[in-house]
Amino acid sequence: GESVGLHLPTLSVQEGDNSIINCAYSNSASDYFIWYKQESGKGPQFIIDIRSNMDKRQGQRVTVLLNKTVKHLSLQIAATQPGDSAVYFCAEILLGGSEKLVFGKGTKLTVNP
Amino acid sequence: NAGVMQNPRHLVRRRGQEARLRCSPMKGHSHVYWYRQLPEEGLKFMVYLQKENIIDESGMPKERFSAEFPKEGPSILRIQQVVRGDSAAYFCASSPTAGGSNEKLFFGSGTQLSVL
Repeated sequence: GESVGLHLPTLSVQEGDNSIINCAYSNSASDYFIWYKQESGKGPQFIIDIRSNMDKRQGQRVTVLLNKTVKHLSLQIAATQPGDSAVYFCAEILLGGSEKLVFGKGTKLTVNP
Repeated sequence: NAGVMQNPRHLVRRRGQEARLRCSPMKGHSHVYWYRQLPEEGLKFMVYLQKENIIDESGMPKERFSAEFPKEGPSILRIQQVVRGDSAAYFCASSPTAGGSNEKLFFGSGTQLSVL
């Protein structure tokens, strides 16, 4: 099966609240992780990435946390907006070869006004 | 600078027909990746190509599926004798360098293949 998975398939939040989307991975050898946002009918869009030698990285309104001990990744979105409604995927890079991305199943985030 | 262009956006085929999906990478990108996405699923890697070379096809079914990225023109994902299980969204991504380990991997909007 996939080495990357997600805890919750759907998440509903109120506009202005913070959102936390979780991801579990099983391949301890993975050393690079990316969060993607996919809106309906569109391809995945890069949000933020993190390398395994880091445990936190911040972007604009987004923060990614990496816990290598329990092989857990999370994406935090501050002050969630309606435009944040989408499916969010975590992906990991497998070492060697073509460095192809392995995607998790995704979490659908719905932001309620 | 146009993004990754995929066509057609939607493709309908009857069982047994052939499907040809095209991907034009971003200008200056010589690395192309194809992914398949089933409804409510994540994207699954199929194949990685550079110009005129298949680098990694470990995610590609052994039969009926083939991919190419010629010296000139778009990358083509070809599915022969399609079956209903081939119905999915097929995404292409391109990169100026090897690997997707940075934000330089850009995805197209996908081709939705429906097999009747």
